[in-house]
Amino acid sequence: EVQLVESGGGLVQPGGSLRLSCAASGFSFRSYSMNWVRQAPGKGLEWLSYISGSGGGSTIYYADPVKGRVTISRDNAKNSLYLQVNSLRAEDTGVYYCAREGSHFDSWGQGTLVTVSS
Amino acid sequence: DIQMTQSPSTLSASVGDRVTITCRASQNINNWLAWYQQKPGKAPNLLIYKASNLESGVPSRFSGSGSGTEFTLTISSLQPGDFATYYCQQYSLDSRTFGQGTKVDIK
Repeated sequence: EVQLVESGGGLVQPGGSLRLSCAASGFSFRSYSMNWVRQAPGKGLEWLSYISGSGGGSTIYYADPVKGRVTISRDNAKNSLYLQVNSLRAEDTGVYYCAREGSHFDSWGQGTLVTVSS
Repeated sequence: DIQMTQSPSTLSASVGDRVTITCRASQNINNWLAWYQQKPGKAPNLLIYKASNLESGVPSRFSGSGSGTEFTLTISSLQPGDFATYYCQQYSLDSRTFGQGTKVDIK
């Protein structure tokens, strides 16, 4: 069974940083591209970043609104995906999901909540 | 980035109704479009991929159509468990943009 489990969320002060993790199991992690998506309270889904799987040449994409403040990475040996978010602002508050991409987002984690507040 | 525009933003319907949601892309995305259902407090769930392919396990009352820049999601006969928010998403080129969502609620 495919499982994605996010962690690393919590309460952070404005200007701070956070590193989110996504632990994958039940599939060949290295073979799949992965994504981060967030959802502000009461709002829609916002795609943040993509990283390719093996054979993709470590291709990375970022959404324009977060480019320069977030860094996506992966450790295939640990079956883990990461998102480093810097210079956090109140508008970064929300649930952050990781999602497996098999040409579409076919599996999602349960999300980790990030709250940016003083 | 490619922009995705869904309509309507909210839709009130009754059990048994036929429901159609539209999604427009700001440029040609061929058929690289997916539809997701999301219920409160839950992660999104894939319904349709490549514009018209039904994900395994998804009821056949859900269908998708379209290509290029215009796409639709149709629910042929709305069931109680279908009251939720629906999102389209394009996954072409170097972005994976979502539409703003369509909330389907009880009339």
